[in-house]
Amino acid sequence: GAVVSQHPSRVICKSGTSVKIECRSLDFQATTMFWYRQFPKQSLMLMATSNEGSKATYEQGVEKDKFLINHASLTLSTLTVTSAHPEDSSFYICSASRLAGRYNEQFFGPGTRLTVL
Amino acid sequence: AQTVTQSQPEMSVQEAETVTLSCTYDTSESNYYLFWYKQPPSRQMILVIRQEAYKQQNATENRFSVNFQKAAKSFSLKISDSQLGDTAMYFCAFMKPPFQAGTALIFGKGTTLSVSS
Repeated sequence: GAVVSQHPSRVICKSGTSVKIECRSLDFQATTMFWYRQFPKQSLMLMATSNEGSKATYEQGVEKDKFLINHASLTLSTLTVTSAHPEDSSFYICSASRLAGRYNEQFFGPGTRLTVL
Repeated sequence: AQTVTQSQPEMSVQEAETVTLSCTYDTSESNYYLFWYKQPPSRQMILVIRQEAYKQQNATENRFSVNFQKAAKSFSLKISDSQLGDTAMYFCAFMKPPFQAGTALIFGKGTTLSVSS
């Protein structure tokens, strides 16, 4: 159990276009979902935290108008990269959390590789 | 602010040998969770082991064990009988209270482990 999917797994787009990435918890309801960005051979950088039905909380330095997060249900969160540019090319990972005993355990999606030409 | 430090960017080990990955952290919290995650070339994040600071006993999961030194704020991962499939990037992560809410993980920079035959 506790599977998280992401779609698409990879996307190539032209500069100036918008791209939407979906994150779904397939077999559980997630209280919170997180979005991370990862550059090659580097760590995961938290971009934002989202709770169902409320506005996402963005980390300092993350442009909320560029990275739009919608958490429409307890099983779906979407990240839209608006007016994408080559510097937005990266690996985006989501995680979904579920209460497991004394703490909320995070389950990670397989990631989405975004390439902006 | 909490920080997680992994001082070994890269390590290598031969099959069947034992290797220890280091992690130190800084916090003023008395209780918290610590984790080791594995990210193989597929880039899927996999939980290896977790430790609640409240518990004195070191966590163990098959070939993986930790040496948790709370006073020294050290949380090292020992991998016994290394296998080729252990080749991956390993991240140490920290979670502060409150555990029931959507608290994000704080990741170290990672250690790339290569296991050779």
